[in-house]
Amino acid sequence: DAKTTQPNSMESNEEEPVHLPCNHSTISGTDYIHWYRQLPSQGPEYVIHGLTSNVNNRMASLAIAEDRKSSTLILHRATLRDAAVYYCIQGNTPLVFGKGTRLSVIA
Amino acid sequence: DTAVSQTPKYLVTQMGNDKSIKCEQNLGHDTMYWYKQDSKKFLKIMFSYNNKELIINETVPNRFSPKSPDKAHLNLHINSLELGDSAVYFCASSHGNRGTQYFGPGTRLTVL
Repeated sequence: DAKTTQPNSMESNEEEPVHLPCNHSTISGTDYIHWYRQLPSQGPEYVIHGLTSNVNNRMASLAIAEDRKSSTLILHRATLRDAAVYYCIQGNTPLVFGKGTRLSVIA
Repeated sequence: DTAVSQTPKYLVTQMGNDKSIKCEQNLGHDTMYWYKQDSKKFLKIMFSYNNKELIINETVPNRFSPKSPDKAHLNLHINSLELGDSAVYFCASSHGNRGTQYFGPGTRLTVL
């Protein structure tokens, strides 16, 4: 079973920043936090991952709480193409997907 | 150019038949996976192979048999198909079993 909890759904306006929260209160010291997303009718796609420090890449930023029990995926400017289910995954292998957060982007 | 490809994209078949889904990756990865996504959209790992050897085998009926002829391919053969096998099956690959996973486009299997 997935060890993370995420809101079922969130909504954002286009070109606004989006903060997707995730709780992973049972995380251990060696567990990475991974984010994947699944666009409609496609396979999951890697977004970002981190261990302790905040991480940035061309797609998003990952802010990890100091106690590592929660994290936030930040999309700096949501576009319509960012509408997807976003999965926060705790651990290393295998990846255990939960229900994710369905992000809707409104034009 | 497709990194992880699967064939066929759609598969409709009768109960009791045997079918195969093929997966190929051109990323040079050594680890490949099969996932099942059911009608409720839960995505669960089924198998993982590293260098053609099975390393993860979740609780999957033995009607499902993965076969890895080489590191670039991991095919899924399903015997005696049942209604409950209807789902979307995703193949993925990674460099090592902790690397970022790259997923294929999925195969939608419908068992009638």
